[in-house]
Order: sequence, then structure tokens, then C-alpha cells
Amino acid sequence: GAVVSQHPSRVICKSGTSVKIECRSLDFQATTMFWYRQFPKQSLMLMATSNEGSKATYEQGVEKDKFLINHASLTLSTLTVTSAHPEDSSFYICSARTGSGYGYTFGSGTRLTVV
Amino acid sequence: AQSVTQLGSHVSVSEGALVLLRCNYSSSVPPYLFWYVQYPNQGLQLLLKYTSAATLVKGINGFEAEFKKSETSFHLTKPSAHMSDAAEYFCAVSDRGGLTFGTGTRLTIIP
Repeated sequence: GAVVSQHPSRVICKSGTSVKIECRSLDFQATTMFWYRQFPKQSLMLMATSNEGSKATYEQGVEKDKFLINHASLTLSTLTVTSAHPEDSSFYICSARTGSGYGYTFGSGTRLTVV
Repeated sequence: AQSVTQLGSHVSVSEGALVLLRCNYSSSVPPYLFWYVQYPNQGLQLLLKYTSAATLVKGINGFEAEFKKSETSFHLTKPSAHMSDAAEYFCAVSDRGGLTFGTGTRLTIIP
């Protein structure tokens, strides 16, 4: 089946630095990738939708200059958290739409801790 | 906008007992509905999905859900709980492409 590989699984960074998270579709082409954030003991919230070769669409309240999304190829989408602060500490998960129907495959998530 | 409501943030059942996790949806159009399971510090695994075909949907690990339009519900059930079912469960609805998730239900299995 479709697999989305997400790296790194855990990252600790200092406040003010930037962190890049990668999601790769291993055996299919991901035209559309979704990025979610999950705070501890809470649900997943959609941050943005990225389509290959075009600008990402951000959900209301998500700072596009802080969360940079690049989807330059059909198999790779990246999320860069710029100038990270402790309040950005969260679990970030990517998801790719698979097939022509409503199929979604999720990455294994990235635990970001900003100290 | 579409939304889902999961009643009960925590559910505990005895091993071997029926599992019932509740989900109600709000949608102005026929929805696409999903149930996912999440284990600690992991991504989400699809249990099952409803895409306007059969109203009774069978998924993995013995789970199933029934779409009831009259009740706007999509409750998840399993006849006999196993210890390995202990996890967080999320109901979700498709919404402009990305998924809108419920607040989740933590399922605890009592030995």
C-alpha cells in the first residue's frame, strides 16, 4: 500500500532556530499533501494544504511566514518551522491523498520540542 | 463547514466486552467519514471509511461503523475488545480536501 515516510521522528531545537520536516511518498505520486499539528492530548488541526508546483493554502490563523511549506516534487513536501519558539512545540503530521477517491495516508509524525 | 463531534473523551471497557465509540457529524452535503486509530507518538492508521457506498462499513481489526443519515451518526463498534485496542480514536470528515477531526476518544481496556 501507499507509504508516506516522515523525518525526523523527533527533533529538539533551540529557540530562534529553524527546523525542516520532510515527507516523502515512497511508492506513489503525492499531488496533494496536508500538514497537521497536534498539541498534547488534543486533536489534529489542519495547518495547510500543499499542491505540487504551487503555493500552499494555509488555514485561518496559521502564519504562512512562520510555517514554510514547499512541495517542489510529486514525492516530497517539506515543512520548515522558522524562528521556532517553545509554543511551537507540538506533534506535526503530514498526510497525502492517495488514489482518485478519498484515501489519505499519514506519515508517522514529528515530535518537535523547542527549548 | 463540516464538523464531527465525538461524545466521550475517555471510554473504558472490559476485555471481551463490546466497544462503542460515538461520532456525530454536521454536513450540508453527503459526507465522507473516517475512523482513525493513533498509538502514542505515532501517526494515524485508517480503521475504515464511508464514501457513500454501503452504510455498514467493515474495517480492520474487527471494527465496523454504520452510517445513519437520520441520526447524523457514524459510531464505531467492535464486538469483543482486546487489550491491543487500547489507543486514541479519531473520527474525521473530509472538508475542502483536508480532514476535520473530532477531539478524539481514549479507549482503555480493563483486563
